[in-house]
Amino acid sequence: NAGVTQTPKFRILKIGQSMTLQCTQDMNHNYMYWYRQDPGMGLKLIYYSVGAGITDKGEVPNGYNVSRSTTEDFPLRLELAAPSQTSVYFCASSYLQGDEQYFGPGTRLTVT
Amino acid sequence: DAKTTQPPSMDCAEGRAANLPCNHSTISGNEYVYWYRQIHSQGPQYIIHGLKNNETNEMASLIITEDRKSSTLILPHATLRDTAVYYCIVNLNQAGTALIFGKGTTLSVSS
Repeated sequence: NAGVTQTPKFRILKIGQSMTLQCTQDMNHNYMYWYRQDPGMGLKLIYYSVGAGITDKGEVPNGYNVSRSTTEDFPLRLELAAPSQTSVYFCASSYLQGDEQYFGPGTRLTVT
Repeated sequence: DAKTTQPPSMDCAEGRAANLPCNHSTISGNEYVYWYRQIHSQGPQYIIHGLKNNETNEMASLIITEDRKSSTLILPHATLRDTAVYYCIVNLNQAGTALIFGKGTTLSVSS
């Protein structure tokens, strides 16, 4: 099992550009999550999904969109990138609610 | 906001036990205590979790006080590779699914 994979590893965006962060898991997990981590801080939840076709907002959803068309994939879309979105983004998955979460390696995004 | 209080940093000598405390005085009766760690900006890694009984696995032990207002994560023989930020988490989001992280404890293990 590859676990949770994320692409790209690094990206630099200009203000106003858009991009999609990819996340894939091969563990047949129902739950998937997107977190962001700013320097020196803990992770904050952006969006999560409890299964294909079902998504919901977390603590900091503004400026982001998600979709979950398959069990495996949970892409995060940034529209009109802003410097405040400079962060490290982590995707995670779990089989059941409250289970151990498996995290991907992260995507380091800089918006200038 | 996170419902836990952890010291910002701790030091431990290699080979000794590392005891990481966590206060969670407002924990609810059905809330679990989770521990994760993050090594040098990698994705967080699950360590252990428990409700009210003490738990042990191949990585660590979790001791929860009888009143459940605090807990201690024990790494029995710390190694240099255990240097990381350790997060104690006792609440999930409103849906009861995702973790809510605080700032954690930075554990530095030295030889």
